[in-house]
Amino acid sequence: AQSVTQLDSQVPVFEEAPVELRCNYSSSVSVYLFWYVQYPNQGLQLLLKYLSGSTLVKGINGFEAEFNKSQTSFHLRKPSVHISDTAEYFCAVSELQAGTALIFGKGTTLSVSS
Amino acid sequence: DGGITQSPKYLFRKEGQNVTLSCEQNLNHDAMYWYRQDPGQGLRLIYYSQIVNDFQKGDIAEGYSVSREKKESFPLTVTSAQKNPTAFYLCASSISSGSEAFFGQGTRLTVV
Repeated sequence: AQSVTQLDSQVPVFEEAPVELRCNYSSSVSVYLFWYVQYPNQGLQLLLKYLSGSTLVKGINGFEAEFNKSQTSFHLRKPSVHISDTAEYFCAVSELQAGTALIFGKGTTLSVSS
Repeated sequence: DGGITQSPKYLFRKEGQNVTLSCEQNLNHDAMYWYRQDPGQGLRLIYYSQIVNDFQKGDIAEGYSVSREKKESFPLTVTSAQKNPTAFYLCASSISSGSEAFFGQGTRLTVV
């Protein structure tokens, strides 16, 4: 069965600094990978997804992620963060076979201060 | 306006009572999911359904029940057997199971 580990529960950064949120997954088959963002008391919004093809994936709000199959990682990056990026971020994985659901990590809280 | 609607946004119940959370989608998606969110625990899968009249247990199904009588609807019942039901519940749907999921705004259930 697949699993997801988000390596940092909290990441504090200053505005305009770069940030990386780390995600590792475990699966015995090929996978789809996702990053979602959640603002307080709201649902989740998709930031970006990796299905196949280029390992560098660009998403909304200036975020990007790189799929590394050998290291089973899918880290999320942004070169310069804004106060408005303060939120909780979730990495998710699903296996390329019928009948599976997305499995989520425990989340990383990104706090951006001025 | 396509999307997923969860209602109500806030729900209060007394301990020992069953409660049903509503989830409706008009995206024509086949798959639907229920997740539970607790602080520091991420999203944990309760149940999911790939097609009408079929559903599978997730990692924390005990104390919950679902039905999928219509493609658009996937209600979740939190029964009195659920030991710690107070949580934020999120419903989602996708074109097929395992593909990109779209989420509702969630229902915060408080049991007192």
